[in-house]
Amino acid sequence: DGGITQSPKYLFRKEGQNVTLSCEQNLNHDAMYWYRQDPGQGLRLIYYSQIVNDFQKGDIAEGYSVSREKKESFPLTVTSAQKNPTAFYLCASSIWTNGKNIQYFGAGTRLSVL
Amino acid sequence: GESVGLHLPTLSVQEGDNSIINCAYSNSASDYFIWYKQESGKGPQFIIDIRSNMDKRQGQRVTVLLNKTVKHLSLQIAATQPGDSAVYFCAEIESGGYQKVTFGTGTKLQVIP
Repeated sequence: DGGITQSPKYLFRKEGQNVTLSCEQNLNHDAMYWYRQDPGQGLRLIYYSQIVNDFQKGDIAEGYSVSREKKESFPLTVTSAQKNPTAFYLCASSIWTNGKNIQYFGAGTRLSVL
Repeated sequence: GESVGLHLPTLSVQEGDNSIINCAYSNSASDYFIWYKQESGKGPQFIIDIRSNMDKRQGQRVTVLLNKTVKHLSLQIAATQPGDSAVYFCAEIESGGYQKVTFGTGTKLQVIP
């Protein structure tokens, strides 16, 4: 997780509350991603951004929102519309190098509902 | 975190033995594959990758084998150590304007000292 910092490590959400997960990278990567990880399932893509001021919905975007105002930062907001937010959230970033686009991950944020 | 390992297939290996972790992928158009290692409470770490024009690639103590005919990928870890205990999962990538990445569910490797 070197170069990609996620905070906080643990987060608790009250019902009806919006919470924001932080993701910062100092790798000068163009693309950033948010994934959700649930027990026994593969990573599922929430949102991704290939360039500043642009982002696209992933497979499970409902109930989430993002922004990409700076290259280094890609915060994820879990809104009250997300009815089952308890999960491990992973942020990743990537850049094209030698024809490859490897994603590197942060250490994750565990979100629980109070 | 710890709950990532729940409900996953588990491979138990004696320390010093070789480990083989398998992955079946689904997309015939996938042309690039990555193995990741995820330790408890941490994010996934890149281990090794392979392009579809290869069938074998070796790293330090790890080897990835690709069989495109049956859409199967395997990760071999030589002389498994306690520090290798983690969840391992593969990722298949289809090249394109946005490289679609699909992650496998993972296998939990337990190393018995």
